[in-house]
Amino acid sequence: QQQVKQSPQSLIVQKGGISIINCAYENTAFDYFPWYQQFPGKGPALLIAIRPDVSEKKEGRFTISFNKSAKQFSLHIMDSQPGDSATYFCAAQPTTSGTYKYIFGTGTRLKVLA
Amino acid sequence: DTGVSQDPRHKITKRGQNVTFRCDPISEHNRLYWYRQTLGQGPEFLTYFQNEAQLEKSRLLSDRFSAERPKGSFSTLEIQRTEQGDSAMYLCASSPLFGQGNQPQHFGDGTRLSIL
Repeated sequence: QQQVKQSPQSLIVQKGGISIINCAYENTAFDYFPWYQQFPGKGPALLIAIRPDVSEKKEGRFTISFNKSAKQFSLHIMDSQPGDSATYFCAAQPTTSGTYKYIFGTGTRLKVLA
Repeated sequence: DTGVSQDPRHKITKRGQNVTFRCDPISEHNRLYWYRQTLGQGPEFLTYFQNEAQLEKSRLLSDRFSAERPKGSFSTLEIQRTEQGDSAMYLCASSPLFGQGNQPQHFGDGTRLSIL
């Protein structure tokens, strides 16, 4: 119940295309959903985050779509660029259970072809 | 805001040795977290502090692991009698404590531990 399932494991997109990464969860105690970008040898960097009272949030080329009833959320990267090539992690925080830890997905390795 | 700083960036040690890592959070961030990340996986939660109090520990944090945050600023993570399975990236994150609800966690670049 503590898991966050992320797909796909890897993704190849042409420059200018849309990259879509999906995550699903079971635990209804999750109430905060951040997305992180990680380059090799670096720590995860926060991209964008959403709370379940909002169905969509957009920041620049990055959009989170959130479906509370389906317990699914996704990251859309518009106009994907080679510099976006990295590993992306979704996460969920079960704050209503009284904890502030993040539960991370297993990651999606994105490659954007020039 | 200089970001979360971790030291050392890399540590190579022989099995059975003790190692200690340091994390300096973003100033004025009250919450500090430790995670472990193995190759090809997402970070896994180890423990978290609010100021100097250690409020939660994962089952992953065996009795060989100990973390401290003595003055509510920097934190150390010590692993005693290291084992091959301890090889991983150890990540530190911090977040502020204000307002209602969740505040995002900001990660350092980690300490990569290799056990020979």
